[in-house]
Amino acid sequence: KQEVTQIPAALSVPEGENLVLNCSFTDSAIYNLQWFRQDPGKGLTSLLLIQSSQREQTSGRLNASLDKSSGRSTLYIAASQPGDSATYLCAVIYNFNKFYFGSGTKLNVKP
Amino acid sequence: SAVISQKPSRDICQRGTSLTIQCQVDSQVTMMFWYRQQPGQSLTLIATANQGSEATYESGFVIDKFPISRPNLTFSTLTVSNMSPEDSSIYLCSVEGSMSGGRAFFGQGTRLTVV
Repeated sequence: KQEVTQIPAALSVPEGENLVLNCSFTDSAIYNLQWFRQDPGKGLTSLLLIQSSQREQTSGRLNASLDKSSGRSTLYIAASQPGDSATYLCAVIYNFNKFYFGSGTKLNVKP
Repeated sequence: SAVISQKPSRDICQRGTSLTIQCQVDSQVTMMFWYRQQPGQSLTLIATANQGSEATYESGFVIDKFPISRPNLTFSTLTVSNMSPEDSSIYLCSVEGSMSGGRAFFGQGTRLTVV
Protein backbone atom coordinates (compact mmCIF):
# COMPACT_ATOMS: atom_id res chain seq x y z
CA LYS A 1 0.00 0.00 0.00
CA GLN A 2 1.36 3.38 -0.98
CA GLU A 3 1.71 5.80 1.90
CA VAL A 4 2.67 9.45 1.74
CA THR A 5 3.82 11.28 4.85
CA GLN A 6 4.37 14.98 5.29
CA ILE A 7 6.40 16.55 8.03
CA PRO A 8 5.84 18.82 9.84
CA ALA A 9 2.06 18.82 10.13
CA ALA A 10 2.12 22.51 10.98
CA LEU A 11 4.70 25.25 10.79
CA SER A 12 4.67 28.86 11.94
CA VAL A 13 7.46 31.19 10.85
CA PRO A 14 8.10 34.92 10.75
CA GLU A 15 7.96 36.65 7.42
CA GLY A 16 11.18 36.49 5.41
CA GLU A 17 12.36 33.10 6.57
CA ASN A 18 13.36 30.34 4.21
CA LEU A 19 11.66 27.06 4.96
CA VAL A 20 11.54 23.42 3.91
CA LEU A 21 8.54 21.14 3.79
CA ASN A 22 9.10 17.40 3.62
CA CYS A 23 7.26 14.61 1.88
CA SER A 24 8.16 10.92 2.02
CA PHE A 25 6.64 7.96 0.22
CA THR A 26 6.94 4.23 0.65
CA ASP A 27 6.88 3.01 -2.97
CA SER A 28 9.66 4.53 -5.07
CA ALA A 29 8.17 3.38 -8.41
CA ILE A 30 6.47 6.71 -8.95
CA TYR A 31 5.38 8.24 -12.22
CA ASN A 32 5.67 11.78 -10.93
CA LEU A 33 5.15 13.94 -7.85
CA GLN A 34 3.17 17.12 -7.53
CA TRP A 35 3.04 19.82 -4.88
CA PHE A 36 -0.21 21.68 -4.28
CA ARG A 37 -1.36 24.60 -2.22
CA GLN A 38 -4.79 24.63 -0.58
CA ASP A 39 -6.31 27.71 0.97
CA PRO A 40 -8.97 27.19 3.68
CA GLY A 41 -12.20 25.80 2.26
CA LYS A 42 -10.85 25.91 -1.28
CA GLY A 43 -9.66 23.54 -3.95
CA LEU A 44 -6.08 22.74 -4.83
CA THR A 45 -3.70 24.91 -6.79
CA SER A 46 -0.85 23.13 -8.53
CA LEU A 47 2.56 24.53 -7.61
CA LEU A 48 5.18 22.25 -9.09
CA LEU A 49 5.26 18.96 -10.94
CA ILE A 50 8.37 16.77 -10.90
CA GLN A 51 8.59 13.93 -13.37
CA SER A 52 10.17 10.72 -12.12
CA SER A 53 13.23 11.35 -14.31
CA GLN A 54 13.80 14.82 -12.85
CA ARG A 55 15.58 15.86 -9.70
CA GLU A 56 14.04 19.26 -9.13
CA GLN A 57 11.75 21.95 -10.42
CA THR A 58 11.70 25.67 -9.70
CA SER A 59 9.03 28.31 -9.94
CA GLY A 60 9.75 31.73 -8.54
CA ARG A 61 10.48 31.41 -4.82
CA LEU A 62 9.58 27.71 -4.83
CA ASN A 63 11.94 24.84 -5.45
CA ALA A 64 10.93 21.20 -5.23
CA SER A 65 13.38 18.33 -5.22
CA LEU A 66 12.85 14.62 -5.70
CA ASP A 67 14.97 11.70 -4.55
CA LYS A 68 13.22 8.55 -5.69
CA SER A 69 15.77 6.17 -4.21
CA SER A 70 15.18 7.46 -0.71
CA GLY A 71 11.48 8.11 -1.25
CA ARG A 72 11.65 11.80 -0.45
CA SER A 73 10.69 15.17 -1.83
CA THR A 74 11.19 18.60 -0.37
CA LEU A 75 9.51 21.90 -1.11
CA TYR A 76 11.73 24.88 -0.41
CA ILE A 77 10.09 28.29 -0.01
CA ALA A 78 12.44 31.24 -0.07
CA ALA A 79 11.79 34.56 1.65
CA SER A 80 8.36 33.52 2.94
CA GLN A 81 5.49 36.00 2.87
CA PRO A 82 2.16 36.12 4.75
CA GLY A 83 0.44 35.31 1.45
CA ASP A 84 2.21 31.94 1.50
CA SER A 85 0.07 30.91 4.46
CA ALA A 86 -1.88 27.84 3.36
CA THR A 87 -1.80 24.06 3.56
CA TYR A 88 0.76 22.45 1.28
CA LEU A 89 0.02 18.96 -0.03
CA CYS A 90 2.27 16.61 -1.87
CA ALA A 91 0.81 13.95 -4.11
CA VAL A 92 2.63 10.94 -5.48
CA ILE A 93 1.39 9.58 -8.77
CA TYR A 94 1.75 5.98 -9.78
CA ASN A 95 0.26 4.32 -12.81
CA PHE A 96 -3.28 4.92 -14.06
CA ASN A 97 -3.05 8.49 -12.79
CA LYS A 98 -3.76 7.50 -9.20
CA PHE A 99 -2.77 10.22 -6.81
CA TYR A 100 -1.85 9.46 -3.24
CA PHE A 101 -1.89 12.53 -1.05
CA GLY A 102 -0.03 13.32 2.09
CA SER A 103 -1.91 14.83 5.00
CA GLY A 104 -0.39 18.23 4.35
CA THR A 105 1.68 20.84 6.14
CA LYS A 106 -0.25 23.83 7.43
CA LEU A 107 1.96 26.88 7.05
CA ASN A 108 1.45 30.17 8.83
CA VAL A 109 3.75 33.04 7.93
CA LYS A 110 3.51 35.82 10.49
CA PRO A 111 3.90 39.45 9.38
CA SER B 1 -3.77 23.94 -18.30
CA ALA B 2 -7.37 22.90 -17.70
CA VAL B 3 -9.99 25.12 -16.10
CA ILE B 4 -12.51 23.26 -13.99
CA SER B 5 -15.81 24.69 -12.81
CA GLN B 6 -17.47 22.91 -9.95
CA LYS B 7 -20.99 23.56 -8.69
CA PRO B 8 -22.27 24.16 -6.11
CA SER B 9 -19.39 25.68 -4.18
CA ARG B 10 -21.11 24.87 -0.92
CA ASP B 11 -24.39 23.52 0.40
CA ILE B 12 -26.10 22.66 3.63
CA CYS B 13 -28.35 19.62 3.31
CA GLN B 14 -30.74 17.68 5.47
CA ARG B 15 -29.83 14.13 6.37
CA GLY B 16 -31.47 11.54 4.15
CA THR B 17 -31.44 13.76 1.08
CA SER B 18 -29.12 13.63 -1.94
CA LEU B 19 -26.91 16.24 -3.55
CA THR B 20 -25.52 16.21 -7.08
CA ILE B 21 -22.24 17.99 -7.71
CA GLN B 22 -21.33 19.07 -11.21
CA CYS B 23 -17.89 19.34 -12.73
CA GLN B 24 -17.32 21.08 -16.07
CA VAL B 25 -13.94 21.17 -17.82
CA ASP B 26 -12.96 23.63 -20.53
CA SER B 27 -11.32 20.91 -22.64
CA GLN B 28 -11.90 17.27 -23.45
CA VAL B 29 -10.28 14.87 -21.02
CA THR B 30 -10.25 11.11 -20.88
CA MET B 31 -10.33 10.59 -17.15
CA MET B 32 -11.97 12.57 -14.39
CA PHE B 33 -11.52 11.88 -10.71
CA TRP B 34 -13.65 12.54 -7.67
CA TYR B 35 -12.09 13.06 -4.26
CA ARG B 36 -13.38 13.54 -0.74
CA GLN B 37 -11.61 15.61 1.87
CA GLN B 38 -13.02 15.11 5.34
CA PRO B 39 -12.46 17.84 7.92
CA GLY B 40 -8.80 18.11 8.81
CA GLN B 41 -7.87 15.25 6.51
CA SER B 42 -6.13 14.91 3.19
CA LEU B 43 -7.77 13.88 -0.04
CA THR B 44 -9.12 10.39 -0.65
CA LEU B 45 -9.99 9.17 -4.12
CA ILE B 46 -13.63 8.12 -4.43
CA ALA B 47 -13.73 6.99 -8.04
CA THR B 48 -12.39 7.42 -11.54
CA ALA B 49 -14.89 8.35 -14.24
CA ASN B 50 -14.30 7.52 -17.88
CA GLN B 51 -16.64 8.62 -20.61
CA GLY B 52 -18.84 5.83 -21.89
CA SER B 53 -18.16 3.33 -19.12
CA GLU B 54 -19.07 2.77 -15.52
CA ALA B 55 -16.97 4.56 -12.94
CA THR B 56 -14.30 2.65 -11.07
CA TYR B 57 -14.69 2.96 -7.31
CA GLU B 58 -11.98 2.77 -4.68
CA SER B 59 -12.17 0.51 -1.69
CA GLY B 60 -14.74 1.80 0.78
CA PHE B 61 -16.85 3.63 -1.79
CA VAL B 62 -19.85 2.14 -3.59
CA ILE B 63 -21.96 3.16 -6.53
CA ASP B 64 -25.22 3.17 -4.59
CA LYS B 65 -23.86 5.82 -2.24
CA PHE B 66 -21.86 7.85 -4.78
CA PRO B 67 -23.35 7.39 -8.25
CA ILE B 68 -21.32 9.09 -10.96
CA SER B 69 -22.25 10.16 -14.45
CA ARG B 70 -19.87 10.93 -17.30
CA PRO B 71 -22.02 11.75 -20.32
CA ASN B 72 -19.24 13.37 -22.37
CA LEU B 73 -15.55 14.27 -22.31
CA THR B 74 -16.03 17.62 -20.56
CA PHE B 75 -18.60 16.93 -17.85
CA SER B 76 -19.22 14.68 -14.86
CA THR B 77 -21.49 14.58 -11.85
CA LEU B 78 -21.12 13.00 -8.43
CA THR B 79 -24.20 12.38 -6.31
CA VAL B 80 -23.94 11.93 -2.56
CA SER B 81 -26.98 9.83 -1.71
CA ASN B 82 -28.96 9.39 1.48
CA MET B 83 -26.66 11.79 3.27
CA SER B 84 -25.67 11.61 6.90
CA PRO B 85 -23.54 14.04 8.96
CA GLU B 86 -20.55 11.78 8.29
CA ASP B 87 -20.74 12.83 4.63
CA SER B 88 -19.87 16.40 5.56
CA SER B 89 -16.70 17.02 3.57
CA ILE B 90 -15.22 18.92 0.70
CA TYR B 91 -15.73 17.07 -2.57
CA LEU B 92 -13.34 17.84 -5.41
CA CYS B 93 -13.17 16.84 -9.02
CA SER B 94 -9.89 16.56 -10.84
CA VAL B 95 -8.70 15.88 -14.35
CA GLU B 96 -5.61 14.16 -15.57
CA GLY B 97 -3.30 16.42 -17.46
CA SER B 98 -1.84 14.09 -20.04
CA MET B 99 -1.27 17.12 -22.25
CA SER B 100 0.53 18.88 -19.39
CA GLY B 101 3.09 16.26 -18.49
CA GLY B 102 0.78 14.52 -16.07
CA ARG B 103 -0.07 17.59 -14.06
CA ALA B 104 -3.41 17.34 -12.26
CA PHE B 105 -5.92 20.15 -12.09
CA PHE B 106 -8.63 20.50 -9.49
CA GLY B 107 -11.93 22.24 -9.21
CA GLN B 108 -12.50 24.63 -6.34
CA GLY B 109 -14.41 22.03 -4.43
CA THR B 110 -17.89 21.68 -2.97
CA ARG B 111 -18.13 22.15 0.77
CA LEU B 112 -20.99 19.96 1.95
CA THR B 113 -22.49 20.18 5.42
CA VAL B 114 -25.15 17.65 6.40
CA VAL B 115 -27.36 18.55 9.33
